[in-house]
Amino acid sequence: QSVLTQPPSASGTPGQGVTISCSGNYSNIGRNYVYWYRQVPGTAPKLLIYTSNQRSSGVPDRISESKSGTSASLAISGLRSEDEADYFCAAWDDTLSGPVFGGGTKLTVL
Amino acid sequence: QVRLQESGPGLVKPSETLSLTCDVSGTYMNYYAWIWVRQPPGKGLEWIAYVPRGGGIIHNPSLKSRVTLSQDPSTNQFSLKMTSVTPADTAMYYCARLLPGTANLDYWGQGTLVTVSA
Repeated sequence: QSVLTQPPSASGTPGQGVTISCSGNYSNIGRNYVYWYRQVPGTAPKLLIYTSNQRSSGVPDRISESKSGTSASLAISGLRSEDEADYFCAAWDDTLSGPVFGGGTKLTVL
Repeated sequence: QVRLQESGPGLVKPSETLSLTCDVSGTYMNYYAWIWVRQPPGKGLEWIAYVPRGGGIIHNPSLKSRVTLSQDPSTNQFSLKMTSVTPADTAMYYCARLLPGTANLDYWGQGTLVTVSA
């Protein structure tokens, strides 16, 4: 059972937009930045978004994140086939004194 | 260029000890925290423990009683030992660089699959 809650799957057609949600509590998302990771099966996760909607090198601006209270969202517009991957949210947890993760959302581009 | 590489046995018997090492290059270990994260097949990520920038060990409370970390900046390595493993510990194990006080794991190793089976 992951500390942060994500939907297990999301999908869209090429060109569409999709949003992936991430829910936590006050000690993690409520008090700290949310980070997003992208994982292609068989490879390690890679940092996608960090510290209030900053994008890692090479990440296009059609990918963005937002946060409200104890929830966050990753938005991808103009879906492309190469966006297919697993997406994980993460946040520092003040109670656990460590980073906590969501269970991951598998994005399928139909 | 920062690189991390995990190594260790891919198969461990139940009740035995899992031992993994992470070789780090291209960065000063003393400037960052260093973390182990695992991912059971088809599941999400779980942090195991990390070495903070000033030293010591911070454990995930759910695993604390079974986990030991060590770090040797002189050899650019940090290691994980997990005792009394069960099949539930079967997972891909990753080492990563952690920016202190954040969930920013900016560099990861490629991961090593550890299977717990008799």
